[in-house]
Amino acid sequence: AQTVTQSQPEMSVQEAETVTLSCTYDTSESNYYLFWYKQPPSRQMILVIRQEAYKQQNATENRFSVNFQKAAKSFSLKISDSQLGDTAMYFCAFMKHVNNNDMRFGAGTRLTVKP
Amino acid sequence: EPEVTQTPSHQVTQMGQEVILRCVPISNHLYFYWYRQILGQKVEFLVSFYNNEISEKSEIFDDQFSVERPDGSNFTLKIRSTKLEDSAMYFCASNLAENYNEQFFGPGTRLTVL
Repeated sequence: AQTVTQSQPEMSVQEAETVTLSCTYDTSESNYYLFWYKQPPSRQMILVIRQEAYKQQNATENRFSVNFQKAAKSFSLKISDSQLGDTAMYFCAFMKHVNNNDMRFGAGTRLTVKP
Repeated sequence: EPEVTQTPSHQVTQMGQEVILRCVPISNHLYFYWYRQILGQKVEFLVSFYNNEISEKSEIFDDQFSVERPDGSNFTLKIRSTKLEDSAMYFCASNLAENYNEQFFGPGTRLTVL
């Protein structure tokens, strides 16, 4: 079974600063996808960034980037130039590559961006 | 841009009552999912659905739950006899095709069981 662990229940960062959210996972699969989802107070789940395990290059989306360490089973999210609108819960998620499977989520990290 | 929609946004029910949560996935998507998020906890997988049948379900998805795609557009989650612990946000998601790696989530239905 796949498990996803987010060891930081809460974090805060000053506006315009950089913050890194941690995520580790456990799987015996060799090919899979990893995701970071943002959940603002509206509760909508918004995809922030995704990483395909067979790609060595770390994914980036504007101010969001990941540090994917496959051997260590680590998938951290870096948010640069933090903005007040980044305040949200952030969930790390895992999905197997085959059979279009369900997603397994971590417990989440509540990020607060302070002015 | 197409999106997944869910109705109602908030449902309040009495313990023991049946509820049906409705979802309209993106029209050309083939895979459908329900997830649950108890307040303050992580999002948990309930069930996936493809080709008019359940393809996978979690241990949470017991006999009180059922899913259905009654027509070409709706995807429903029925809870037969609600319990207090069923109070949660329920998210529907859909996916274009096998091995397409992005699931699109709806805005959720908040279920409150009194």
